Amino acid sequence: NAGVTQTPKFRVLKTGQSMTLLCAQDMNHEYMYWYRQDPGMGLRLIHYSVGEGTTAKGEVPDGYNVSRLKKQNFLLGLESAAPSQTSVYFCASTSTSGANVLTFGAGSRLTVL
Amino acid sequence: AQTVTQSQPEMSVQEAETVTLSCTYDTSESDYYLFWYKQPPSRQMILVIRQEAYKQQNATENRFSVNFQKAAKSFSLKISDSQLGDAAMYFCAYRSYTSGTYKYIFGTGTRLKVLA
Repeated sequence: NAGVTQTPKFRVLKTGQSMTLLCAQDMNHEYMYWYRQDPGMGLRLIHYSVGEGTTAKGEVPDGYNVSRLKKQNFLLGLESAAPSQTSVYFCASTSTSGANVLTFGAGSRLTVL
Repeated sequence: AQTVTQSQPEMSVQEAETVTLSCTYDTSESDYYLFWYKQPPSRQMILVIRQEAYKQQNATENRFSVNFQKAAKSFSLKISDSQLGDAAMYFCAYRSYTSGTYKYIFGTGTRLKVLA
């Protein structure tokens, strides 16, 4: 049971480059989230999705885009990377039943030079 | 908007002793969930314990227990018989339900050091 898988785990970009982080979950969860983690700031919500074909902005959406074409996948895109986007990115998912416990991916460390 | 506050950036505890991590939150909702997550150096986020707001009984998971004070909006985590493997970053989280959507709000974390 893979749970939530994020790729890549590490990436170094130059300012202005673009990239996509992929999140895949095999638990048939409806909700998926992208967070960024920065020292002293906890986890901040970037974008989220409540189901296939839907996306919404979170707390810090600027500079990011997302897509959820398939229920199991949630993509986070950086169109023109900036040093301020250097961070650790976490994907998480949950179902709409039960205690709605978030299941996290292992994180992706992104460095923008 | 809901907020989660962890006022202790760092805590230390002697091995085998007990430590309590603090968390307060602000909300106008009456039904919600609260969580504690552990993040060891591996970076993986691991659920430690969860509490349903409508349940008055404090949740317990082995050496981990919470002190949930709904009126005071306080949700502290007690770790008993601390072990070296408990050293990690601990995040308190609140699950909100707004406009038909679940969102999870995290505190800034408390780094726990366990001294041998």
